[in-house]
Amino acid sequence: KNEVEQSPQNLTAQEGEFITINCSYSVGISALHWLQQHPGGGIVSLFMLSSGKKKHGRLIATINIQEKHSSLHITASHPRDSAVYICAVGGNQFYFGTGTSLTVIP
Amino acid sequence: DAGVIQSPRHEVTEMGQEVTLRCKPISGHNSLFWYRQTMMRGLELLIYFNNNVPIDDSGMPEDRFSAKMPNASFSTLKIQPSEPRDSAVYFCASSPTGAYTEAFFGQGTRLTVV
Repeated sequence: KNEVEQSPQNLTAQEGEFITINCSYSVGISALHWLQQHPGGGIVSLFMLSSGKKKHGRLIATINIQEKHSSLHITASHPRDSAVYICAVGGNQFYFGTGTSLTVIP
Repeated sequence: DAGVIQSPRHEVTEMGQEVTLRCKPISGHNSLFWYRQTMMRGLELLIYFNNNVPIDDSGMPEDRFSAKMPNASFSTLKIQPSEPRDSAVYFCASSPTGAYTEAFFGQGTRLTVV
């Protein structure tokens, strides 16, 4: 059983579409991270959440602690958003989701 | 700041050899993390330092792996002896104040053990 589940595993969207990636976890956590891994392999930390909602540009991340669920939204998607998005949760240990591979087509 | 700097970017070594990966965290960051990424297991946290002290090394796979942080600006991850199953991308990350703040990642070291 995976402590962190992401859905979908793969996602293809047309440029301009609104995108949602979901993350559910089964452990108690202190914080949840959303990471972006580019095709070249580099990793960027997008958000760290412990409650509520954060927004950065076209990216929005929300977390519902009671439901143990987080979503990452991308508005007006662009081909440069194509990457793998990874959810990670930290509590007593750190657990990673297997990632969602997003491809945005022009 | 140049960000988290890892070296080398690529390493190819023969089974049985010692491998040392290096990381320079962002100046002023108190926490440093070593991660491993493989196709089979995804991202895994290996070890986490806070103020140069190892806090959680439960992710270190076995005794062949060791990590040190002799000062606030440098850390090493050593594998001795290396095995083909150690082939992976190893990432180092640092964060300002702890495991639960935003982390900044290095570009990674791609290790191939043949």
